[in-house]
Amino acid sequence: KAGVTQTPRYLIKTRGQQVTLSCSPISGHRSVSWYQQTPGQGLQFLFEYFSETQRNKGNFPGRFSGRQFSNSRSEMNVSTLELGDSALYLCASSLQGRSGYTFGSGTRLTVV
Amino acid sequence: SQQGEEDPQALSIQEGENATMNCSYKTSINNLQWYRQNSGRGLVHLILIRSNEREKHSGRLRVTLDTSKKSSSLLITASRAADTASYFCATDPRTSGSRLTFGEGTQLTVNP
Repeated sequence: KAGVTQTPRYLIKTRGQQVTLSCSPISGHRSVSWYQQTPGQGLQFLFEYFSETQRNKGNFPGRFSGRQFSNSRSEMNVSTLELGDSALYLCASSLQGRSGYTFGSGTRLTVV
Repeated sequence: SQQGEEDPQALSIQEGENATMNCSYKTSINNLQWYRQNSGRGLVHLILIRSNEREKHSGRLRVTLDTSKKSSSLLITASRAADTASYFCATDPRTSGSRLTFGEGTQLTVNP
């Protein structure tokens, strides 16, 4: 079966712009989580969506938002980009959450 | 902030040797999971151990969990050059809903 697909793979944006990242989970998986990975802070949880509802949220400012569609595909949006938002953004899907997750290859965002 | 701490931060061994990585965490957990990451790519789920389990095996991997000490270890036996990667432990805390809290990771290098 197809894995978790994240698009785009790479992105370069300018400070102040906004960006939307996309994640298509494994077919049948209803839980989609987002993580930010940076050299300084490591892997940090952003939020989790389950059946179109945000079920859990990490400690990130309101500039970071997300949503999930009825087909379980998810998007995350970062507004008013800052240099510190440069990171690898990883999406993970699971059947119900609270079990092993399948991660996508990530979107590497560079803010200049 | 990261709940887990991993030890060592870096490990370099020869092919055929065993590699042991340790992880400590701070809160009660539902389960603990180990992931591998190659060169800033996506995370690959290796193994999940539930809080009521003490040891689990999968191929060349052996994971132990000591909930009284809030620690886990991952043993990779008969290592191969292809095992070179970063290894992360991730806990699913009881109190935080469906999310993972990652350790800082161990960079394993297996020399041919």
